[in-house]
Amino acid sequence: SQQGEEDPQALSIQEGENATMNCSYKTSINNLQWYRQNSGRGLVHLILIRSNEREKHSGRLRVTLDTSKKSSSLLITASRAADTASYFCATETGGYQKVTFGTGTKLQVIP
Amino acid sequence: GAGVSQSPSNKVTEKGKDVELRCDPISGHTALYWYRQSLGQGLEFLIYFQGNSAPDKSGLPSDRFSAERTGGSVSTLTIQRTQQEDSAVYLCASSLSGVALAKNIQYFGAGTRLSVL
Repeated sequence: SQQGEEDPQALSIQEGENATMNCSYKTSINNLQWYRQNSGRGLVHLILIRSNEREKHSGRLRVTLDTSKKSSSLLITASRAADTASYFCATETGGYQKVTFGTGTKLQVIP
Repeated sequence: GAGVSQSPSNKVTEKGKDVELRCDPISGHTALYWYRQSLGQGLEFLIYFQGNSAPDKSGLPSDRFSAERTGGSVSTLTIQRTQQEDSAVYLCASSLSGVALAKNIQYFGAGTRLSVL
């Protein structure tokens, strides 16, 4: 079963708007990561937030983590057509480096 | 190399044949992962290596699937007697181990697209 479930499954917005994606998970985590996947390619790491952090920024990306609700959100501000991709959350649990990926949100940014 | 390299990039095979997929991780990365991604789906964890040992093989779907890693570097994923449901993109990733700030950030290859006819 998936540890992470992203919501929405698909999102279509106009260029310049903000995009928000959510991730919910089931068990306690050590950290949570967000990755991006362009069509037909491998995943690229975007940002990592540790379990004791609540918010993190990187450029136009803002990630929040609420461990009490077992959820995280990824906000992309001022979206661009080049942001069109699938976005996955990934959680690390346990004593060794097992990272479990969610189901992904497919984002389309319309120019 | 500069990144994770996977070969072949595409593989078309007939049902019942064996296939071998190769992953060359980033030099110095001790952790290596295999995932499977069906069309439009998320990533399905297959197996994780730490050095040459595989502490977690729980994701391998059946005994037709096996993987090995030698010399703490290159890994091969073998699928025996392929079935049509094995058709997917097989992704490999590697990561540093024991380096706190970079720990668990996975670097992915471009994948091998397997088509079983």
